[in-house]
Amino acid sequence: AQSVTQLDSQVPVFEEAPVELRCNYSSSVSVYLFWYVQYPNQGLQLLLKYLSGSTLVKGINGFEAEFNKSQTSFHLRKPSVHISDTAEYFCAVSDRKKGGGATNKLIFGTGTLLAVQP
Amino acid sequence: DTEVTQTPKHLVMGMTNKKSLKCEQHMGHRAMYWYKQKAKKPPELMFVYSYEKLSINESVPSRFSPECPNSSLLNLHLHALQPEDSALYLCASSPREPSFGGYNEQFFGPGTRLTVL
Repeated sequence: AQSVTQLDSQVPVFEEAPVELRCNYSSSVSVYLFWYVQYPNQGLQLLLKYLSGSTLVKGINGFEAEFNKSQTSFHLRKPSVHISDTAEYFCAVSDRKKGGGATNKLIFGTGTLLAVQP
Repeated sequence: DTEVTQTPKHLVMGMTNKKSLKCEQHMGHRAMYWYKQKAKKPPELMFVYSYEKLSINESVPSRFSPECPNSSLLNLHLHALQPEDSALYLCASSPREPSFGGYNEQFFGPGTRLTVL
């Protein structure tokens, strides 16, 4: 089965500084990759997704992520964060069918709390 | 309308109560999901309905009973819950059945915060 690792449970950063949230997944075969954001007391919102094609993916709110197949990573970056970016960020990967190919069952990482300080 | 709505926002219930959570979407999506999320943890899939039929049950205890009355509505009936069932319950929907090939984005609702006393 697929798995997702987010090594950093919390990332403190000052406002306007750059940030990188790390995500590694278990399989090197074709998968779909996602980053979701969850603001306090809210549901999940899709930030960006990698399905195929260009390895640099741009999402909403100025975030981007780079798919690295050889390192099985999908790290999330933002060049300058705002206080309003404070939230929990989840990396997710699609599960795979037994015969190959992706399903739309999501496997989530444990989450990273991005804490932006003034 | 591109949102998933959930009611109630908060629910407090005793272990002997029966209550229901509701989820609604008007995006014409044919797959709907229930997730459970404990504090500081990722969402865990509970159930998936595809074309109003239960397609995935992730070995959820029978005190949780899902129901899909029509393509827009998804309910989760709760009975004889335990305090450890306290969590945020998230509903999601997607255009197609989960194992269908190709990308199939899930749209999440805001959740119901459940407390079992």
